[in-house]
Amino acid sequence: AQKVTQAQTEISVVEKEDVTLDCVYETRDTTYYLFWYKQPPSGELVFLIRRNSFDEQNEISGRYSWNFQKSTSSFNFTITASQVVDSAVYFCALSEAMDSNYQLIWGAGTKLIIKP
Amino acid sequence: EAEVAQSPRYKITEKSQAVAFWCDPISGHATLYWYRQILGQGPELLVQFQDESVVDDSQLPKDRFSAERLKGVDSTLKIQPAELGDSAMYLCASSLELATYLYEQYFGPGTRLTVT
Repeated sequence: AQKVTQAQTEISVVEKEDVTLDCVYETRDTTYYLFWYKQPPSGELVFLIRRNSFDEQNEISGRYSWNFQKSTSSFNFTITASQVVDSAVYFCALSEAMDSNYQLIWGAGTKLIIKP
Repeated sequence: EAEVAQSPRYKITEKSQAVAFWCDPISGHATLYWYRQILGQGPELLVQFQDESVVDDSQLPKDRFSAERLKGVDSTLKIQPAELGDSAMYLCASSLELATYLYEQYFGPGTRLTVT
């Protein structure tokens, strides 16, 4: 069955440290899509990235980078030189092509605390 | 920048009372989602609309919850009667179309419901 696991419930680091958020997924579909969303204290989920299963290239966007490894079914998210504004709950999600409604299967989230 | 609007932002109600939430998606977005998010968990899909039609409401507790999107634009989610276990954040999201591999979901700020 499809599943997304974010084993880290909460991570706390000091500002300017690098931090990696782990995401492990399970799916039987060969075509699927992986997402990361950010939920700041205001509550509104913000889309960060979408990756399809055929594209294993790592992606970098400013201080954010994502490492997709099909061999380990992982889609990890790294923040370089963290800042206090990065404090939020981060969710990893999965969508399968065999689901005609393309619904998102969500992980439980990782709460990231960046201390000044 | 266009946003998903939700109201109210906060609602406190007594159990057995009726409560309603409203969502106005981004203009032109055909797909609308209602999610429930319990603290410390990922969002759980309650109902998904494509225009005015329900695509999936399999997780909606239909004995007490109802949802409508009469003209395919804004939507209302109702709970009657509310129970203590309904206390959660109710999130509305919209996307241009169903295919999340092409169109990401945009989320509103949510309604925080407390049932006493």
